[in-house]
Amino acid sequence: DSGVTQTPKHLITATGQRVTLRCSPRSGDLSVYWYQQSLDQGLQFLIQYYNGEERAKGNILERFSAQQFPDLHSELNLSSLELGDSALYFCASSVGVGTNTGELFFGEGSRLTVL
Amino acid sequence: SQQGEEDPQALSIQEGENATMNCSYKTSINNLQWYRQNSGRGLVHLILIRSNEREKHSGRLRVTLDTSKKSSSLLITASRAADTASYFCATDGGTYKYIFGTGTRLKVLA
Repeated sequence: DSGVTQTPKHLITATGQRVTLRCSPRSGDLSVYWYQQSLDQGLQFLIQYYNGEERAKGNILERFSAQQFPDLHSELNLSSLELGDSALYFCASSVGVGTNTGELFFGEGSRLTVL
Repeated sequence: SQQGEEDPQALSIQEGENATMNCSYKTSINNLQWYRQNSGRGLVHLILIRSNEREKHSGRLRVTLDTSKKSSSLLITASRAADTASYFCATDGGTYKYIFGTGTRLKVLA
């Protein structure tokens, strides 16, 4: 158990809908990362937060948004869903940021299926 | 685009053999990490090597880093069926981002 909790584990929805994925980082970790993994693909970096502030952005679509709250949990919002958004969405956390990042701890992921 | 690219994409070996997978990256780094992913599960950290280190060991794992060639290798010795998984390298690219490669799918046959 990594200590990172993601909910929901599975989600099935229709095209055009909006969903919210939630992540609770490991206790004491200030950084949260979001990744997308499509079937048999590598992980695509979406966005990173540190102590409530956005620190880095990857190839995140404009239809997607995220935030990190004062209690350090994070949410990833996906809207106007398309079939191609079907993927595993991972959250990871780390203690530090930048050169002090160290190890990333991953949750078990939220599997999104868009029909 | 991916910062790290693993090679080979897939590897199949017999139990007891050694498995070597390579990672190449594009920009300067502060550190490079290797992760393991069992099918459909979350990634698990294996080892971190800093840019000023050349080799690191952890149990049956040996990682090397050649910053002049922008490459790293992961060696798993005396492989077991339980080592069957996908292995990813991750680099920070000198930024806050941690970019993962496309992974090597390792299959260890009993």
